[in-house]
Amino acid sequence: AQTVTQSQPEMSVQEAETVTLSCTYDTSESNYYLFWYKQPPSRQMILVIRQEAYKQQNATENRFSVNFQKAAKSFSLKISDSQLGDTAMYFCAFMKHDSNYQLIWGAGTKLIIKP
Amino acid sequence: ETGVTQSPTHLIKTRGQQVTLRCSSQSGHNTVSWYQQALGQGPQFIFQYYREEENGRGNFPPRFSGLQFPNYSSELNVNALELDDSALYLCASSLRQGGKNIQYFGAGTRLSVL
Repeated sequence: AQTVTQSQPEMSVQEAETVTLSCTYDTSESNYYLFWYKQPPSRQMILVIRQEAYKQQNATENRFSVNFQKAAKSFSLKISDSQLGDTAMYFCAFMKHDSNYQLIWGAGTKLIIKP
Repeated sequence: ETGVTQSPTHLIKTRGQQVTLRCSSQSGHNTVSWYQQALGQGPQFIFQYYREEENGRGNFPPRFSGLQFPNYSSELNVNALELDDSALYLCASSLRQGGKNIQYFGAGTRLSVL
C-alpha cells in the first residue's frame, strides 16, 4: 500500500521569503503522479502543481516549484516570494498510474505567511 | 473556481439518521471521486464513479453508497450515521482521458453528527 508523509505540521515565514514544504512517500510502483494541493479557509482544494514520475524534470508553476527525488521518494514544494494569500493548508498527494485514480494524501502542513 | 459545486455547505444530523450529499461536476467530466476529511487530517478516499458505475472503493463500510447520474452529477449517501462520520466531505470531478488525471474539487459539505 502507498503512504504519504508530511513531517511538518505547521510552518510560518515572513512575506516575500522562500519556504520549502517536505513530503515523502512509499510505493513499489514505478509509474505514478504526485500533486500538491492548497486548501485555504474556504475549504476548496486547489491544485498547485503536478509531477509525473517518469519525467525527471522538476515541475514549475510561476512561484511554485518542486524538488522531485524519485530514488529517495521525496517530493518537496518550494514557494518563492511568498504572499499573504499563500496562507493555507498544503497537502501532498500520490496517485498510481492506471488505477482508479484515487488520491492518497498526506496529513498536511499548515503554512502561515506573516506580514 | 473549479466548476465543481457541492450542496449543502453545512448539515447537522443525529446519530442513526441518513444523509444525502450532492455534487455537480465540471462540465464534460465523466468521473467523480468522493473523499472524507476529518478535522486536522488529510482526505480519505471513499469511492469513485466512472460513467455511472462504481470504479473503486476505499476502506469504508457499505452504509456509504453513491450514485452518478447520466449528466455526471453525483450523490453520496450515508446510512445509520455515527458520531465518527462528522467530517468535511469533498467531491472531485475529472476527465478520464489521455493521462492528465487532474481532479478538481468542490468546497465540500461539512457534516456534523450529534
